[in-house]
Amino acid sequence: NAGVTQTPKFQVLKTGQSMTLQCAQDMNHEYMSWYRQDPGMGLRLIHYSVGAGITDQGEVPNGYNVSRSTTEDFPLRLLSAAPSQTSVYFCASSYGWGSGNTIYFGEGSWLTVV
Amino acid sequence: AQKVTQAQTEISVVEKEDVTLDCVYETRDTTYYLFWYKQPPSGELVFLIRRNSFDEQNEISGRYSWNFQKSTSSFNFTITASQVVDSAVYFCALSWETSGSRLTFGEGTQLTVNP
Repeated sequence: NAGVTQTPKFQVLKTGQSMTLQCAQDMNHEYMSWYRQDPGMGLRLIHYSVGAGITDQGEVPNGYNVSRSTTEDFPLRLLSAAPSQTSVYFCASSYGWGSGNTIYFGEGSWLTVV
Repeated sequence: AQKVTQAQTEISVVEKEDVTLDCVYETRDTTYYLFWYKQPPSGELVFLIRRNSFDEQNEISGRYSWNFQKSTSSFNFTITASQVVDSAVYFCALSWETSGSRLTFGEGTQLTVNP
């Protein structure tokens, strides 16, 4: 009964380093998304995917890269971390839009860039 | 464009008081969903309710109730007889017909319930 699993939960990076936030779901959901949460700004969409092999940009995509090679996994890559990317990151998944649209969130990943 | 506004940044109440959290949304779609999430100090997002645009019935779940009014584009959340455990950040969110489950969130309201 894993649901949406994000790793790592906490990470400290130096400016310029790269890293990947992992997101995996075991519910065979087609739709997956990444959000970042910053104080006073709610959650903002970074990238999303409507199925394996299909990704698109959200509201704040700059500095992030994604791929969706399998239905289960949707990793978020920071190619060259910047202090402005210090944030809490949430991955989400769902079957899609409509009456069955329950959106499941991971527990969040706290990232600090120094 | 889709937009959700939670004008109340912070609310502080004393235990047992009733409190209403406001949510105003904007969308051109006629079919959409509205959500409320709770984020306790531990940081995870807890789903509270989903309401579709064709169902304007108010809903009550224990001490929680929701008032959906399409005429004013509002989806307000009331906690009756608040408790210290209700202290959290509450988010209102919107998904629309072509969003593929993407959500637009409001800025959140920090609710503090004091003993």
